[in-house]
This record gives sequence, C-alpha cells and structure tokens, in this order.
Amino acid sequence: DTGVSQDPRHKITKRGQNVTFRCDPISEHNRLYWYRQTLGQGPEFLTYFQNEAQLEKSRLLSDRFSAERPKGSFSTLEIQRTEQGDSAMYLCASSLGDRESSGANVLTFGAGSRLTVL
Amino acid sequence: AQTVTQSQPEMSVQEAETVTLSCTYDTSENNYYLFWYKQPPSRQMILVIRQEAYKQQNATENRFSVNFQKAAKSFSLKISDSQLGDTAMYFCAFMKHTSGTYKYIFGTGTRLKVLA
Repeated sequence: DTGVSQDPRHKITKRGQNVTFRCDPISEHNRLYWYRQTLGQGPEFLTYFQNEAQLEKSRLLSDRFSAERPKGSFSTLEIQRTEQGDSAMYLCASSLGDRESSGANVLTFGAGSRLTVL
Repeated sequence: AQTVTQSQPEMSVQEAETVTLSCTYDTSENNYYLFWYKQPPSRQMILVIRQEAYKQQNATENRFSVNFQKAAKSFSLKISDSQLGDTAMYFCAFMKHTSGTYKYIFGTGTRLKVLA
C-alpha cells in the first residue's frame, strides 16, 4: 500500500463550475476524513466517514459541498458552483479505528488537492 | 465545543538546540488523544507524536517528547538537537471519541525555522 492518494493534485477552474476530488485511503483504514486548509492555517474539518457511513459534517459546509464513500473504499468530494472563497487545499486522511493496534487513531494524510477558483 | 490553541505563530531555533512548542486545548471530555503533526514546506502532513489522555507518562519519539499536563489542558512539544529537516509547520491536534464519533480538531499551527 502506498499511502493515501488524492487526485487531482491541482485544479484550476472558473467560478460557477463544479469540481470533484477523489481520495483513495489506505486499504485497511475504516475511517476517512476531508479537511480544508488555507495558506498558513490549520486543517479545517469538513466531514468524515466510518466505512461507507458519513457520520459527521461540518456546519460550516454549505449545501454546495457533498461527499460520498461508496462501499467504504475511495471517497469523492464534490463542490458545485464554485466560488473564489473555495480556493484552498483539500486534504484527505484516513485512520484505523482499532484500539488494539499501535497505529490506531493516527491520521495518515494524502498530499492534498489544491483548488484555485478564478 | 473543543478548541485547540497554539499561541506561537512562528519560532526559530539554532541547529542542535532545543525548542518547545506550546499547545493548549479546551474540552470537557475525559477520553481523548492528542497529536503533533508536522507539515514540511510543500509536503504532506505526517505524525510526529501521539499521546493518549489516560496515560500519565509523557510520550517520546527519539528527539521529540511531549509535556502533557492534563489538569492544565496543556500539551507542549519539545524538539531536542534540532535539525534543519525539522523546519516545518507544526500542528497540535485533539481527537475525542465519545458517542461513536472520532473527530480531529487542529490548531492554527506554529511555523518553526531551524537556523544553520
């Protein structure tokens, strides 16, 4: 397993367009998280999944954002009708929720997908 | 709501010296994890060290150690024998695990520069 993969790494789009990001977590990890990070700031929680169930979604997330994790494997984050304020790095992370594992509850991050909205 | 505060936006340290990054958090939970993550320039975030709240012993990982003060809700990171490769943003993070949810909250980060 090569870690958490995100695609695309960079996306430039015009305001009003829809964009979709994909995240492939570490295969045995049951939890998957999406964060947004702007320059010089810490990651801001967007949503997370346990297997295929979306357990929590940030109240800051507008209706233009939607995420899925079909079959508990890869996940997609879609932003509809993008706005300039959506420009950020979108980070995906996964973790194994197993108290017996030495690596339990440690987030492994992907390299991120940088979105620029013109 | 849980919050994580890193009061030092930027710090610098001479190579081979020791530096301590501070982090405080606010929670009413009793069971939680604390983490320090490192984000080198233009590179992805990686774990530095982890602490479980129910463990009184401070976690250590080679040159990295923490001072976990549960009553004071403080979780500082000490980097000994600083190396140029330690130059990065450092984020403190809190994870609670109650009611079946496992959410991580990050601080705003401290930018550390190690000087040659």
